[in-house]
Amino acid sequence: EAGVVQSPRYKIIEKKQPVAFWCNPISGHNTLYWYRQNLGQGPELLIRYENEEAVDDSQLPKDRFSAERLKGVDSTLKIQPAELGDSAVYLCASSPRRTEAFFGQGTRLTVV
Amino acid sequence: AQSVTQPDIHITVSEGASLELRCNYSYGATPYLFWYVQSPGQGLQLLLKYFSGDTLVQGIKGFEAEFKRSQSSFNLRKPSVHWSDAAEYFCAVGATYGNKLVFGAGTILRVKS
Repeated sequence: EAGVVQSPRYKIIEKKQPVAFWCNPISGHNTLYWYRQNLGQGPELLIRYENEEAVDDSQLPKDRFSAERLKGVDSTLKIQPAELGDSAVYLCASSPRRTEAFFGQGTRLTVV
Repeated sequence: AQSVTQPDIHITVSEGASLELRCNYSYGATPYLFWYVQSPGQGLQLLLKYFSGDTLVQGIKGFEAEFKRSQSSFNLRKPSVHWSDAAEYFCAVGATYGNKLVFGAGTILRVKS
C-alpha cells in the first residue's frame, strides 16, 4: 500500500513570495493532518481535516496560511506571503478513523 | 491540554548496549501514547502505540515501551542497540482517537561502535 505522498520535497523561496505544498493521503484515510516541524523541535499541528471539513485549525496562522481538502482526499497548504520564520519542515499525515497517524516524508521549506 | 516532556535532548550509547528513552506526559484522563522515529530527511515512522490493556507494549525493530500511570511515563526501551537505530525519537500523546497528537521535543540517539 502506498504511503502518504507529499510534494515537493524541498522548496527554497524568497520572503514575501507564495508557496504551496501538496499531500496525497493513504487511500481510505478520512483524517488528514498538516504539521509544522521547526528545527530541533517536535511537530506541531496546524490543521486537521475529517473528510473535507477542517475540524481543528486553531493553530493555523490564518492571516497568511490557508489549506483546503477538496473532495476529502488530496490537500494543499498555502503560505502567502512567506516570512523568514516560516522556514520549517511541513509534514502531512493521515489516519483511518480512531487510530494512529501515518506521516509523509515532509516538505522542507527554506525562506531566504 | 496535553503536553509531553522528553528530558534528554541527546543520548549516546554503544552498539549492543541497552537503551532507555524517557517520556513524561501530562493529561487528565487516560492518554493514547505513541513513539515515532525520524531518520534525517525523512518523515516519522510509528514504532509502537498504547491505547489500553497491557501496559508493556511491543513495537517494531525490537523496541518496547511501558506505560506507568503513577509516574505519567511511557519510556521506550531496547535491549541491544544497533548502529541503524541512530535517529531522532519522538514521544507523542493524543487525547482521543483521531485527535491531534502533541509531540515532545525529541531525543537524538547516537550509536557509537
